[in-house]
Amino acid sequence: GDSVTQMEGPVTLSEEAFLTINCTYTATGYPSLFWYVQYPGEGLQLLLKATKADDKGSNKGFEATYRKETTSFHLEKGSVQVSDSAVYFCALSSNDYKLSFGAGTTVTVRA
Amino acid sequence: SAVISQKPSRDICQRGTSLTIQCQVDSQVTMMFWYRQQPGQSLTLIATANQGSEATYESGFVIDKFPISRPNLTFSTLTVSNLSPEDSSIYLCSVEDPGTETYNEQFFGPGTRLTVL
Repeated sequence: GDSVTQMEGPVTLSEEAFLTINCTYTATGYPSLFWYVQYPGEGLQLLLKATKADDKGSNKGFEATYRKETTSFHLEKGSVQVSDSAVYFCALSSNDYKLSFGAGTTVTVRA
Repeated sequence: SAVISQKPSRDICQRGTSLTIQCQVDSQVTMMFWYRQQPGQSLTLIATANQGSEATYESGFVIDKFPISRPNLTFSTLTVSNLSPEDSSIYLCSVEDPGTETYNEQFFGPGTRLTVL
């Protein structure tokens, strides 16, 4: 079945540091890939997405590229802010509409 | 994108009782989903709810424990029955938004935080 493996946290960074969260997946067919973010005390929000190989999703300075050859969808941001502190979830969806989530990575950015 | 509300936002319940969670969407959607997020864990899909048919449950979840209703295209309820402390979680509904270019993109409600004593 479909599965997502995500870099375990927690991750603690200083402001303006570079952030990478690794995500690899196993799926049949050609899934869509997502990064969701959960800020403290808030619900789950879609951060970015990619629907086919080599697509790059981007939002709020975050980027992730759909790499079919390495079955990866790593999340990156060049300069993090304190407001980026949150839990980040990698997810995929195949043709059956279901979302499979990774374990989540807690990111804390210190001023 | 769809706007989703859930009621209640949080509740504290006694073991052995039940809690019904409501999910309201501001537009008609075909597919609605219910997830559970246990403390410090990721999200696990409980079931898929389509209007006019019985919900489809994932492995490990049964209708007697998690009955679901889907009376129309904008509303669904999830009941967590015979509560035990292990049911303490955040319960989220989501919808697949047919208005997006990615047909299987989902939008989530704010969640219902349940604590069972």
